Amino acid sequence: KAGVTQTPRYLIKTRGQQVTLSCSPISGHRSVSWYQQTPGQGLQFLFEYFSETQRNKGNFPGRFSGRQFSNSRSEMNVSTLELGDSALYLCASSLADRTYTGELFFGEGSRLTVL
Amino acid sequence: AQSVTQLGSHVSVSEGALVLLRCNYSSSVPPYLFWYVQYPNQGLQLLLKYTSAATLVKGINGFEAEFKKSETSFHLTKPSAHMSDAAEYFCAVSPIQGAQKLVFGQGTRLTINP
Repeated sequence: KAGVTQTPRYLIKTRGQQVTLSCSPISGHRSVSWYQQTPGQGLQFLFEYFSETQRNKGNFPGRFSGRQFSNSRSEMNVSTLELGDSALYLCASSLADRTYTGELFFGEGSRLTVL
Repeated sequence: AQSVTQLGSHVSVSEGALVLLRCNYSSSVPPYLFWYVQYPNQGLQLLLKYTSAATLVKGINGFEAEFKKSETSFHLTKPSAHMSDAAEYFCAVSPIQGAQKLVFGQGTRLTINP
């Protein structure tokens, strides 16, 4: 079974640009969540999507947005990039119905550098 | 708000020695607790999870953790360290069943000395 796939793995942008990151979950997983990992702030929850609906949201500005498609693939977008947005963005998928609390399967991440 | 504190950002042990990584959580309700491991340039992998069943939880690669409600702790241990255990370890809490919103600790980088 293929794992969680994130693209691109590495990218470099300049301040003010926008970026779109993609995540393909494990087949059959309907929940996709996104995390930002930085040396200073650690791992922080961005948002979670389930069946194309945002179910949970972290404490990030509106420049960070996401969506989920009918095939469960998800994208996240960051607009008007700032230097502080440089981070590893991790996507995780899970079966995640409302009675399930279990394993999140993480992708290898997309490393964003903002210059 | 839920929070997780990992004591020690860096831990160094000799190969064959006991590994002990500390995690304390704050939660007003019984939490769901996890340990994840991250190898360089990779995502996170679940080591083990506590979801209110047995308080001693066994995971992969010989790791185990004990949930102690009185101490609000969920420390990770392994009796004998192996070179391949060198990685960063994250403790995480999810206060709500079904919520995929994990709160992570700051991580502990484990170094194994030959």
